[in-house]
Amino acid sequence: GENVEQHPSTLSVQEGDSAVIKCTYSDSASNYFPWYKQELGKRPQLIIDIRSNVGEKKDQRIAVTLNKTAKHFSLHITETQPEDSAVYFCAGGFQKLVFGTGTRLLVSP
Amino acid sequence: GAVVSQHPSWVICKSGTSVKIECRSLDFQATTMFWYRQFPKQSLMLMATSNEGSKATYEQGVEKDKFLINHASLTLSTLTVTSAHPEDSSFYICSAPGLAPYEQYFGPGTRLTVT
Repeated sequence: GENVEQHPSTLSVQEGDSAVIKCTYSDSASNYFPWYKQELGKRPQLIIDIRSNVGEKKDQRIAVTLNKTAKHFSLHITETQPEDSAVYFCAGGFQKLVFGTGTRLLVSP
Repeated sequence: GAVVSQHPSWVICKSGTSVKIECRSLDFQATTMFWYRQFPKQSLMLMATSNEGSKATYEQGVEKDKFLINHASLTLSTLTVTSAHPEDSSFYICSAPGLAPYEQYFGPGTRLTVT
């Protein structure tokens, strides 16, 4: 089955800096890679996703890149703001999703 | 947009009792729903896939006799935690596939505390 690894587990940045979170996956059949932001006690919120036929996708300050050959994908957040502080999960799969272990992002003013 | 609700949002029960959690798709039909469990400061782990009109598919290591899943209609799936123990205390989240390929819509979650 699919296995998704995520790092770093924690990431502290200053407001305005960029943040990068990386994930690797094992199953070459996986073709959907979403990223979720989760605040304490809340449901995961989809912030961006990418499908296997695309190498990069951007939405304002957030971008995701996918390298199918190397089986890794990354989340890039530019101009970070304190409200970006949360736990971020990557996920991968075909019909069902396997989640990464999460990254706790702390953006300091 | 697609909305998934869960009920209750939180529940406290005594050890040995059973608890039922409902997951509803409010404005769309879902022949499939997914049940996840999330322990504090951990990731979401898929427990089972609920299929309308047929048996659920459980992930490896999940006890099907302990976590009973019923998907009796196109808008409702239920998870019953039977003979709950303190180690079953967790955040249970359901999701349903939306209209866009592969996307999932998550419910708000149910926090279960077993005393």
